[in-house]
Formats: sequence, structure tokens, C-alpha cells
Amino acid sequence: NAGVTQTPKFQVLKTGQSMTLQCAQDMNHNSMYWYRQDPGMGLRLIYYSASEGTTDKGEVPNGYNVSRLNKREFSLRLESAAPSQTSVYFCASSEDRPNYGYTFGSGTRLTVV
Amino acid sequence: QKEVEQNSGPLSVPEGAIASLNCTYSDRGSQSFFWYRQYSGKSPELIMSIYSNGDKEDGRFTAQLNKASQYVSLLIRDSQPSDSATYLCAVILVGANNLFFGTGTRLTVIP
Repeated sequence: NAGVTQTPKFQVLKTGQSMTLQCAQDMNHNSMYWYRQDPGMGLRLIYYSASEGTTDKGEVPNGYNVSRLNKREFSLRLESAAPSQTSVYFCASSEDRPNYGYTFGSGTRLTVV
Repeated sequence: QKEVEQNSGPLSVPEGAIASLNCTYSDRGSQSFFWYRQYSGKSPELIMSIYSNGDKEDGRFTAQLNKASQYVSLLIRDSQPSDSATYLCAVILVGANNLFFGTGTRLTVIP
């Protein structure tokens, strides 16, 4: 059982380049989330999707866009990468409300130079 | 005041001792609380959830919740070197559909 799968695991971008981080879950969860984790800042919510076809901004949405392609997949796009977006990105999923917590993907380590 | 606060540590305990990790939260109406463990370079994994005042035990782990004091803690008994990790406290705030995380406490268990 795969759980939550994220790709790629590592990426180096030049400032101004774009890329899409992919996330897929096979647990039939309705809700999916994108977080970034930075030293001393903890995990901060970028965007989330409570159900297929809906997305909402989190704490730090600027510079990002998301797409909930279907129930399984939730992608995060950086249109013009900046060094401030250097971080570790985690995708997570949960049932309708996260009353039982999240299942996390393995993370994407992104460096913007 | 941040929504969820933890002492960043590091916290060092000898093998076999009890490790005590603490977390406070700002929203008095919060109902759901979680502890995650994160090894270096890995993703967080859920180890405990607690929803009612009091203690909840699972093996060597005990979560304690005091809603009046807005305080949740995690005790690890008989600490092992394999428990060395960062422990994240997370809370569902009132009206929210997501978890808010503390910055984590780094625990080192010394053999």
C-alpha cells in the first residue's frame, strides 16, 4: 500500500524557472494538503483541498498555485521560482476532516538558486 | 502568540529515562490534538492522538491533555536511542479544516 506518493524527491531550480510538484494518494481520502517546512518555522500550510474540485489558501500561498486534478491527485505549481521558496515540501491527505490526523508523503527537497 | 508553541530543545535524556515533551495552544475551543515523530530527512509520522482531558497510553507513549490550561504533553517511558527525533505537536483549531503544527522539539536519547 503506497499511501501518499510525491514526486520528485529532489529538485534544483534556477530563479524564475517553473515546476510542478506531484502528489497522489490511494487511500480514498477527500482532503489533501500542501505544507512547506523550514528550519525554525515548522510546517506551514500553503494550500489545501477539502474535496475534489475545491481548493483554499493556507498560511503562505503567495507564489504558488494548486490543482486538484481528481480525488487522488493534488499538484503544487511554482510559476516563477524564487530563492525564498527553497524548502522541503510535504503533501498530506486525510478523511473529510483531519480528526484522525494526516498521512504524509515522503517530501520534496527543493533548492532555488 | 503562535497558535501552537513548543520548546525547540534540544532535549537530551539518558537511555531508559522518561522524556517529557510539552506543547501549548492558543485556541481554547480546540478539540483534536496530535503528536508526530519526524526523523531527520524523513516525513512526519503520527504516533498519538488525543481528544479528551486526561491521559492516553499506547505502549511506551502517553499523551496528556489539559484543556483548561491549553496544554498537551507527550511522555516517552524507557527512552531508546531509536526515539531520537523531532516531535511535532499539532492541533485542529476551531473552525479550521487543517492541522496547525508547532515548530517541534528535538529529542536526543543518549546510550
